[in-house]
Amino acid sequence: DQQVKQNSPSLSVQEGRISILNCDYTNSMFDYFLWYKKYPAEGPTFLISISSIKDKNEDGRFTVFLNKSAKHLSLHIVPSQPGDSAVYFCAASGNTGNQFYFGTGTSLTVIP
Amino acid sequence: DTAVSQTPKYLVTQMGNDKSIKCEQNLGHDTMYWYKQDSKKFLKIMFSYNNKELIINETVPNRFSPKSPDKAHLNLHINSLELGDSAVYFCASSLEQVISPLHFGNGTRLTVT
Repeated sequence: DQQVKQNSPSLSVQEGRISILNCDYTNSMFDYFLWYKKYPAEGPTFLISISSIKDKNEDGRFTVFLNKSAKHLSLHIVPSQPGDSAVYFCAASGNTGNQFYFGTGTSLTVIP
Repeated sequence: DTAVSQTPKYLVTQMGNDKSIKCEQNLGHDTMYWYKQDSKKFLKIMFSYNNKELIINETVPNRFSPKSPDKAHLNLHINSLELGDSAVYFCASSLEQVISPLHFGNGTRLTVT
């Protein structure tokens, strides 16, 4: 039973344009959401997070949007750079502890 | 300095063998985890330890046994390996007091033949 879903396995974007990665969740008890970036043969690295009391969090080129009513979050990268090419995972957690549920990832390719 | 390190990076072994994966973190975190990424790229938690105490134990065969000698180490022992155990296993750590991001190791790719 997958509680966090990333329905787009891959995405290609031209350098300089915006990349939008989407994530949906089913558990209304989730209140902390994160995005991770993963390069081949490495572990996921934390990118940005958002708690359910906010609907937007921005960090440089990266912005995460949360729509609680739709149980949907998205990661915007602008402008996209070739170094952003990686697999992006979204993850969610409730307030009972540090148990995170991950999506299956979206592979982003930024074309120079 | 590697924050979360796990060894070995690759492990190829035959069915029925027993193997261990080691994990160490130098971040001073109180909580450590083992995650499994299967062939469908699905990252799923297996175990979580807080200060050497087991706090999360998902539905995992009892052939898998975590061992935490101290809060900086969490090793994973797997007995009687099966073909379906082939996966990438990630160790991670996090702070205890707040819900905080996980810091992952680079993974161990286990192949059971």
